[in-house]
Amino acid sequence: AQSVAQPEDQVNVAEGNPLTVKCTYSVSGNPYLFWYVQYPNRGLQFLLKYITGDNLVKGSYGFEAEFNKSQTSFHLKKPSALVSDSALYFCAVRVTGGGNKLTFGTGTQLKVEL
Amino acid sequence: GAVVSQHPSRVICKSGTSVKIECRSLDFQATTMFWYRQFPKKSLMLMATSNEGSKATYEQGVEKDKFLINHASLTLSTLTVTSAHPEDSSFYICSASSDLPGAYEQYFGPGTRLTVT
Repeated sequence: AQSVAQPEDQVNVAEGNPLTVKCTYSVSGNPYLFWYVQYPNRGLQFLLKYITGDNLVKGSYGFEAEFNKSQTSFHLKKPSALVSDSALYFCAVRVTGGGNKLTFGTGTQLKVEL
Repeated sequence: GAVVSQHPSRVICKSGTSVKIECRSLDFQATTMFWYRQFPKKSLMLMATSNEGSKATYEQGVEKDKFLINHASLTLSTLTVTSAHPEDSSFYICSASSDLPGAYEQYFGPGTRLTVT
């Protein structure tokens, strides 16, 4: 069975500094990986995905993620954080044989401070 | 990206009554819709997967007679919470995906806050 781990419940970073939100996965076969962001009392917004190809994936709002097969990781990054990036971030992996069903991580709360 | 709407955004109902939540894909045909429940500061709990024209597939531990799901068209799925109780109070989120080539992501609705008094 596939699984996703987000080891940090919360990440704090100063505005203007680079940010990293960690995600590791476990899946049989080729992983299809996703990042979503959730603002308070809202649904999830799709940020980016890795299906195949270049290991560095660029997404919305300046975010990118690096797929690392040897470390089974898919960390979310942004070169310069904004206060408005403060939100809950979810990593997800597609369920093998489950159509587009996803398994989500537990989420990481990102707090960007002035 | 694709747009998914949910209605209502908030609903308060009395214990014992039923509540229906609608999920619509506005600009694409959603062959599959998913219903999630989210507790405060917690991850999403998948409740069920529904394919257009078929019965929904419920996750283990989710009562299908309590959470009725209908996916009557490629743009509409509904979740009905029957005989609601205070413990059903939660944030319910739907998502939709298509079976077009390369369309692997789910697009989420804005969520519905259900409060049962």
